[in-house]
Amino acid sequence: ETVLTQSPGTLSLSPGDRATLSCRASQSVSSNYLAWYQQKPGQAPRLLISGASSRATGIPSRFTGSGSGTDFTLTINRLEPEDFAVYYCQQYGSSHTFGQGTRLDIK
Amino acid sequence: EVQLVESGGVVVQPGGSLRLSCVASGFTFDDYAMHWVRQAPGKGLEWVSLITWAGGRTDYADSVKGRFTISRDNSKNSLFLQMNSLRPEDTAVYYCARDMGDYGDQFFDHWGQGTLVTVSS
Repeated sequence: ETVLTQSPGTLSLSPGDRATLSCRASQSVSSNYLAWYQQKPGQAPRLLISGASSRATGIPSRFTGSGSGTDFTLTINRLEPEDFAVYYCQQYGSSHTFGQGTRLDIK
Repeated sequence: EVQLVESGGVVVQPGGSLRLSCVASGFTFDDYAMHWVRQAPGKGLEWVSLITWAGGRTDYADSVKGRFTISRDNSKNSLFLQMNSLRPEDTAVYYCARDMGDYGDQFFDHWGQGTLVTVSS
């Protein structure tokens, strides 16, 4: 099983800042099949990024996914108030596993 | 508009059984594989099970293998999860999610709002 480790566990930033979230896999993710989701309290997860770097429909350009192999990053430029949420990475190259999440809090 | 609506979540005693349903609308249901994903209270996401577009292939997380069964009825645009021998650690919100493809090996592009299953005596 491919284990995904996200860091940091919690990130405290201010609106307008840049957020950098990391997702590290225990083995190489096949075909860079890595997705990112955003989840707000009481809501279902929402797809942000697939294939490590492809933004989903309707996702603002301030969200950028990058990386390959075992190291992946989600960068959020110029944080907006609505971006404060929990973010999960998921690999779908070998079955499906999720990281434990990174909570993005308002500082 | 794609919609996924789960139902069936209740309080059930340990060792009991439960069947969850997910009704889909706004897309051609039998073009897509489907998944169940759960989230224990205050915890992260855990993939549970998948079923391919025609139901020919299913897969399960080790934590539920042998106890849960996924199925679908394409004539009714419905996905199901039969849960047997329930344990307290199965307590979670259960989401159905649409796979981007038909084989269950892609990302999840749409999610339902979830249904809460509580296993407690």
